[in-house]
Amino acid sequence: AQKVTQAQTEISVVEKEDVTLDCVYETRDTTYYLFWYKQPPSGELVFLIRRNSFDEQNEISGRYSWNFQKSTSSFNFTITASQVVDSAVYFCALSGSNYQLIWGAGTKLIIKP
Amino acid sequence: AAGVIQSPRHLIKEKRETATLKCYPIPRHDTVYWYQQGPGQDPQFLISFYEKMQSDKGSIPDRFSAQQFSDYHSELNMSSLELGDSALYFCASSSPPGLAGEQFFGPGTRLTVL
Repeated sequence: AQKVTQAQTEISVVEKEDVTLDCVYETRDTTYYLFWYKQPPSGELVFLIRRNSFDEQNEISGRYSWNFQKSTSSFNFTITASQVVDSAVYFCALSGSNYQLIWGAGTKLIIKP
Repeated sequence: AAGVIQSPRHLIKEKRETATLKCYPIPRHDTVYWYQQGPGQDPQFLISFYEKMQSDKGSIPDRFSAQQFSDYHSELNMSSLELGDSALYFCASSSPPGLAGEQFFGPGTRLTVL
């Protein structure tokens, strides 16, 4: 069975702090993709990153960085120097052999000014 | 760049009524997915279509049906609406289908059933 776990239901930090959102996944597929999506209060789903199972290279995009570790089945997301506009619900998702996106429950991130 | 278009953006219906949601995928995308997201929930996969044929089925109620047309747009038909159907409905498209096909999401249709 495939599963994505985001253990942090809600995180609240003060602006400019760094924050890491955890994502742990389960799958028996050897080939799979992992995703992070952002859902701001307006409701749309914004794609942030896709990582395939054969590429464990970490990625940095501006203030965002992702740490993929197959050994621990984790794909964590860090926001450096957080800003109020980063406030949103963040979803981690997995796509395996059945092509469906399996979603985590989401982490609500609150950035206080 | 063109994105996924969903209409209407907001819809209010009474219980037992019917509703039709429309999705226009990104040009040249041949796969469409439908998701339902209840308040405070993660998106739940309903159904998907590839080249106008149903490719996968998730937790779609029997009261709902969907299809993909020759121009690749898709419609989700919902009958005998219940209060619990109130949710945000997302459509996503991709090409090619499968693992490498990143799903691009539309803005969603917010359905409220009174």
